[in-house]
Amino acid sequence: QVQLVQSGAEVKKPGASVKVSCKASGYTFTGYYMHWVRQAPGQGLEWMGWINPNSGGTNYAQKFQDRVTMTRDTSISTAYMELSRLRSDDTAVYYCARVLAVHTPMGGWGYWGQGTLVTVSS
Amino acid sequence: SYVLTQPPSVSVAPGKTARITCGGNNIGSKSVQWYQQKPGQAPVLAIYYDSDRPSGIPERFSGSNSGDTATLTISRVEAGDEADYYCQVWHTSSDHWVFGGGTKLTVL
Repeated sequence: QVQLVQSGAEVKKPGASVKVSCKASGYTFTGYYMHWVRQAPGQGLEWMGWINPNSGGTNYAQKFQDRVTMTRDTSISTAYMELSRLRSDDTAVYYCARVLAVHTPMGGWGYWGQGTLVTVSS
Repeated sequence: SYVLTQPPSVSVAPGKTARITCGGNNIGSKSVQWYQQKPGQAPVLAIYYDSDRPSGIPERFSGSNSGDTATLTISRVEAGDEADYYCQVWHTSSDHWVFGGGTKLTVL
């Protein structure tokens, strides 16, 4: 069965960087785009970008364009999202989510990681 | 940027029908997804491509999309349907994904 298992909670100081991992299993990792989404406490969902695990190509939300880097390691079926220059308002749960359909970022996101809480505090 | 507008809350009695709307400029020309999120859990895909249901989602869940409004309809509502629901589209011109603000469904 498809599983996305994310790394554990992080506490960071303002100005630092955080790197969240998303380990995939149960399917061909390179066949399906991965999106990253975050949710601040008590707030809605916010799209951050996607990565094509096959090519490494990315598409970032304009809001995060200069601070986010999405990468992958196909040898261990893991996607990464790194956010730099952290601020207190980056405190949120960060999710990876896999698209249902093969070789496209479009359509529904049928599989989600469990979420990783990133707390930014001095 | 493209804005999706959802009512903050919808209340419905058990066994009745809940309708959650998602408004956007000419949203009928876009493909809409709906996600259900229960407290402390990751979102779950409920509807994709306007009206398709993933495996495991009850037939009570349906979707429609026309004009400036997409609608998620939940028939014969159960207590277990109580959750936050988010609509989502891909905005062509920006090549960005957009979520609505979410609707809290309360089962009375």
